[in-house]
Amino acid sequence: SQQGEEDPQALSIQEGENATMNCSYKTSINNLQWYRQNSGRGLVHLILIRSNEREKHSGRLRVTLDTSKKSSSLLITASRAADTASYFCATENSGNTPLVFGKGTRLSVIA
Amino acid sequence: DAGITQSPRHKVTETGTPVTLRCHQTENHRYMYWYRQDPGHGLRLIHYSYGVKDTDKGEVSDGYSVSRSKTEDFLLTLESATSSQTSVYFCAMGPGQGIQDTQYFGPGTRLTVL
Repeated sequence: SQQGEEDPQALSIQEGENATMNCSYKTSINNLQWYRQNSGRGLVHLILIRSNEREKHSGRLRVTLDTSKKSSSLLITASRAADTASYFCATENSGNTPLVFGKGTRLSVIA
Repeated sequence: DAGITQSPRHKVTETGTPVTLRCHQTENHRYMYWYRQDPGHGLRLIHYSYGVKDTDKGEVSDGYSVSRSKTEDFLLTLESATSSQTSVYFCAMGPGQGIQDTQYFGPGTRLTVL
């Protein structure tokens, strides 16, 4: 039962450009998390945004959350080749249930 | 990957054979999880544990069993492997603030069932 759905499925940009990926979900959430996965590796937690927050920053990452539209976006500014990875959103659904991960956006940053 | 390891990292087996994957953590974290990752399906939860001997099913638990006899070890068993269980398996751990807390993932095990 996938909750978050990332969009686009794949994104290719030039180094230095900004990358934006989106996550939409269906039911109310407690919080939303973003993870990164480099090829052949496990997922790494990037940032958590609470349901009462609208925007959060961490270095070159900016996350927004719009609970009325049930969507979140992850912006990576001034992208680098090392940002090439898959990015996943994970929703903390109401009730004491585990995180539900989306299918991910595959980002390619071309040097 | 720090503090959590998986073994083996790669395994090829035949249909009908039993397979056990091991996840080991050194962080004394309460929660542990097993996921499988397949193209087009993303990451799907198989089973999770909220303490020693305390486990529960996830979204895709059929054909899998788990055991947690010690805090640091979480085993995933395929009783009779099928080709549909060919996948990359990830273990994760959570520090125990709650089932929805941040998770820390292992490096993965690539399993091929012929």
